[in-house]
Amino acid sequence: EVQLVESGGGLVQPGGSLRLSCAASGFTLSSYAMNWVRQAPGKGLEWVSTISGSGDNTYYADSVKGRFTISRDNSKNTLYLQMKGLRAEDTAVYYCAKDARYCGSDCNPRGLTFDPWGQGTLVIVSS
Amino acid sequence: DIQMTQSPSSLSASVGDRVTITCRAGQSISTYLNWYQQKPGKAPKLLIYAASSLQSGVPSRFSGSGSGTDFTLTISSLQPEDFATYYCQQSYSTLYTFGQGTKLEI
Repeated sequence: EVQLVESGGGLVQPGGSLRLSCAASGFTLSSYAMNWVRQAPGKGLEWVSTISGSGDNTYYADSVKGRFTISRDNSKNTLYLQMKGLRAEDTAVYYCAKDARYCGSDCNPRGLTFDPWGQGTLVIVSS
Repeated sequence: DIQMTQSPSSLSASVGDRVTITCRAGQSISTYLNWYQQKPGKAPKLLIYAASSLQSGVPSRFSGSGSGTDFTLTISSLQPEDFATYYCQQSYSTLYTFGQGTKLEI
């Protein structure tokens, strides 16, 4: 069974840093693109970042570009999101999600589909 | 960014009703459109991918259609467990975007 478990959330001051982790099991991490999606309290879903299966390609939402870095350690079956320069508007539940597609090598980023999702980890940016 | 607009934002319906939710893209996205269901306090769940393909394990009362800029999610006969919020998501552009959500209420 595919399982994704996020950790690393918590309370951080504006301007601070935090690193989220997503432990993956039940599949070969290196074969799939992985993603972070967030949801502010009471709001909708916002895509944050994507990394290809090989790790060679990364994509970011404009709202986090230059502040967040996505990475992966396929040997540890773990996805990461390093967040710096945090702002109040970054307060959200952060979900990791697997690309539903298996392509053998890196998939075309067009067609990315989020499935399944982890349970999420809450990040609160506040003084 | 490709803006995704869902309508309605909320919808009241009853068990057994047929319900349709619409998603409109700001530009043509072919059939690069996915639908998700989210229940309170839970992670989203994929329902439909590539506009009309039913994800494994999802009941057949859910269906999707459309291409280009206009898409629909239809629930043929609402069940109690279907009351949730539904999101569309485009995957045509690598600046992936979601619709604002449609809350389906009793």
